[in-house]
Amino acid sequence: DAGVIQSPRHEVTEMGQEVTLRCKPISGHNSLFWYRQTMMRGLELLIYFNNNVPIDDSGMPEDRFSAKMPNASFSTLKIQPSEPRDSAVYFCASSSTSGASYEQYFGPGTRLTVT
Amino acid sequence: AQSVTQLDSQVPVFEEAPVELRCNYSSSVSVYLFWYVQYPNQGLQLLLKYLSGSTLVKGINGFEAEFNKSQTSFHLRKPSVHISDTAEYFCAVIPLSGSARQLTFGSGTQLTVLP
Repeated sequence: DAGVIQSPRHEVTEMGQEVTLRCKPISGHNSLFWYRQTMMRGLELLIYFNNNVPIDDSGMPEDRFSAKMPNASFSTLKIQPSEPRDSAVYFCASSSTSGASYEQYFGPGTRLTVT
Repeated sequence: AQSVTQLDSQVPVFEEAPVELRCNYSSSVSVYLFWYVQYPNQGLQLLLKYLSGSTLVKGINGFEAEFNKSQTSFHLRKPSVHISDTAEYFCAVIPLSGSARQLTFGSGTQLTVLP
């Protein structure tokens, strides 16, 4: 298996622009998680989906952030408009609720820089 | 709700010395416990996990952890570290029951192995 795939790996954009981050979970996994990692705040859960349905989006910072999961093999995290404080590494992770442990498998991350 | 405390944010240690990274958790229900490792510029990778059974769990790269229910701890150990072990280590828990089946992470411990 290729693991969790994220694209792009790096994104540099100007303040005010729309940014879309993409994630392909491991085939067969039915839960998907979006995290943000910064030096100041550490690793934060933004939102997670179960069977393509958003379950908990309480970690989404504000209305500028939105996430979708149109099917079991694809998810997007969109920031519109982007701001310099959104600069961070964004991770996607997936897991299977049919297993015993619910362990999560992480993608390599997207490093976002907003200037 | 669950919480995870990693007592040391930074741990410097000399090569071939033993190391212990401490993790304590709080939860009103039983939990599964995990240690993840993050190498520079990479995503998180599962190091080991405790689900049930023997309280001493062995993971990859020579690491092991011991679950202590009475002390609600899950400390990570390695008898002899290598330069390549330099990374950030995260302790995490997930409840066995309830609707919130997402991981709760600690704030991380940066292990730096010195030559």
